[in-house]
Amino acid sequence: DAGVTQSPTHLIKTRGQQVTLRCSPKSGHDTVSWYQQALGQGPQFIFQYYEEEERQRGNFPDRFSGHQFPNYSSELNVNALLLGDSALYLCASSSDSITEAFFGQGTRLTVV
Amino acid sequence: AQSVTQLGSHVSVSEGALVLLRCNYSSSVPPYLFWYVQYPNQGLQLLLKYTSAATLVKGINGFEAEFKKSETSFHLTKPSAHMSDAAEYFCAVSRRSGGYNKLIFGAGTRLAVHP
Repeated sequence: DAGVTQSPTHLIKTRGQQVTLRCSPKSGHDTVSWYQQALGQGPQFIFQYYEEEERQRGNFPDRFSGHQFPNYSSELNVNALLLGDSALYLCASSSDSITEAFFGQGTRLTVV
Repeated sequence: AQSVTQLGSHVSVSEGALVLLRCNYSSSVPPYLFWYVQYPNQGLQLLLKYTSAATLVKGINGFEAEFKKSETSFHLTKPSAHMSDAAEYFCAVSRRSGGYNKLIFGAGTRLAVHP
């Protein structure tokens, strides 16, 4: 079992650019959640995808959008990047039949 | 609404000493509670979880936590610290139903273990 995999591991972007991060959930999981972890802080919930639709959303602007594919993998897109978007972006997979979420290694995004 | 407060952003212990990391939660509905560990430049690994069974929960690497409803606490303990326990620890809460496994995290506690 490969667990939750995220790509890329590191990324450097310029202010104003757009970025796409990718996540493949753990085998058997159909739900993907995305979290933003700024330096020195706990992860903050961005949104969750289930059955290819956004099911829940945290307090993040519309610049943050996502997608889930039929194979349950997911993408996180961030438009018009700001310096403050620099963070570790974590993907978590789960299903409604289990109580915990499993996290990937994260993508470190640096906006310069 | 749910929230988590972790008391102490940094905790330092000697190798072999007791580890105690504090977590208090606020929840208007019965919660699920979790402790995750994060090593440098890595994702989060689940240490243990409380899901309404036994109030004393045992996890991996010798850690355990006790759910105390009256104190709204879920403190993490380990009898004897090891150098490899040095990491960031996060307490998290979610709803038992209707929450779709959305996690609310505390700010984290960085544990340092010195010889």
